[in-house]
Amino acid sequence: QQQVKQSPQSLIVQKGGISIINCAYENTAFDYFPWYQQFPGKGPALLIAIRPDVSEKKEGRFTISFNKSAKQFSLHIMDSQPGDSATYFCAASMGSTLGRLYFGRGTQLTVWP
Amino acid sequence: GAVVSQHPSWVICKSGTSVKIECRSLDFQATTMFWYRQFPKQSLMLMATSNEGSKATYEQGVEKDKFLINHASLTLSTLTVTSAHPEDSSFYICSPKEGGNTEAFFGQGTRLTVV
Repeated sequence: QQQVKQSPQSLIVQKGGISIINCAYENTAFDYFPWYQQFPGKGPALLIAIRPDVSEKKEGRFTISFNKSAKQFSLHIMDSQPGDSATYFCAASMGSTLGRLYFGRGTQLTVWP
Repeated sequence: GAVVSQHPSWVICKSGTSVKIECRSLDFQATTMFWYRQFPKQSLMLMATSNEGSKATYEQGVEKDKFLINHASLTLSTLTVTSAHPEDSSFYICSPKEGGNTEAFFGQGTRLTVV
């Protein structure tokens, strides 16, 4: 059973545009929601993360929007660049499981010039 | 961010042989180690969780006798794929975690190809 559902599976955006990736979860015990960026042949790297007591967090061109009542969160990449082309994973964890992450299926983002 | 070193980055081995993958946390103490496996164009799937000095806990469907995990120190954990078969070919990623720190760090991954 997929604990975190992610969409879309793939996304093509023009340079300068906004990339939006969505995730949804069911388990209300989750209290930490990170986003990871992964390039081919590399391990994931933390991009940005949010906790449920905040509805939005922004770091540079990356913003997480969090809707606790809807159990949804999304990643927005502003002014998308070709260098942002990668696979993005949302994830969730709860303090009781020592940080074990439940990953979404991933979104392959392609930003074309 | 924390520094994690995973070695080797890629390995090719013959079917039936064993392969050892090392994961080191260079600037923090990893009280917990997560090992993931990732097939092409798929998500990371947790294989097992280990705490320093304790036996690893394996996820359902992961053979503990095939994937041997050692977490004998706070800075080093190893995953040994024993009697490897072509279906074990995958990308293996370690994720050490410091106690009390929510953030997870990942190794660079190891591409295992069994021929």
